[in-house]
Amino acid sequence: KAGVTQTPRYLIKTRGQQVTLSCSPISGHRSVSWYQQTPGQGLQFLFEYFSETQRNKGNFPGRFSGRQFSNSRSEMNVSTLELGDSALYLCASSPGVDWSYEQYFGPGTRLTVT
Amino acid sequence: LAKTTQPISMDSYEGQEVNITCSHNNIATNDYITWYQQFPSQGPRFIIQGYKTKVTNEVASLFIPADRKSSTLSLPRVSLSDTAVYYCLVGENTGFQKLVFGTGTRLLVSP
Repeated sequence: KAGVTQTPRYLIKTRGQQVTLSCSPISGHRSVSWYQQTPGQGLQFLFEYFSETQRNKGNFPGRFSGRQFSNSRSEMNVSTLELGDSALYLCASSPGVDWSYEQYFGPGTRLTVT
Repeated sequence: LAKTTQPISMDSYEGQEVNITCSHNNIATNDYITWYQQFPSQGPRFIIQGYKTKVTNEVASLFIPADRKSSTLSLPRVSLSDTAVYYCLVGENTGFQKLVFGTGTRLLVSP
């Protein structure tokens, strides 16, 4: 079974631009979560989607948004990029919505904002 | 979500058993304890999860005392490839998938 895939793997953007990251979950997984990882703040939860509905959102500004499609694929968008948005963005999928279910993480998208 | 405390770093040698202890004094009745492993520039990988007593799988064991205020991840006979950051997470089965990661324990395995 293929794992979680994220595209692109690397991205360089300029301040003020916007970016869209894509995540394809493991086949059959309907829950998708997004995380941001930086050296200073560590791994932080962004949001969680299940059946095209955002179920939970982390403490991030409105510039960060996401959505999930009917095939469970998910995208996240960051508008008006800031230097501090440089990070590894990780997507995770899960077969269920309960916390006890294992989350399977993708390799991440490394975003650099200059 | 209950907060966790882990050692920042640990050193070991190949072939040794490594025990990483996590403190979670405010763990709630419905909280599970989960450990993830992360290699540089990769996403975290689930290792093991438990609620009480002992859980063992093909890669690790998780020991949870009766009061559940701490837990110990045990890695038998570590190899160089076990060098990674290990995260202890505690959370309630509320129907949400939000994981709250702490700073983790950076394990360095030397030859």
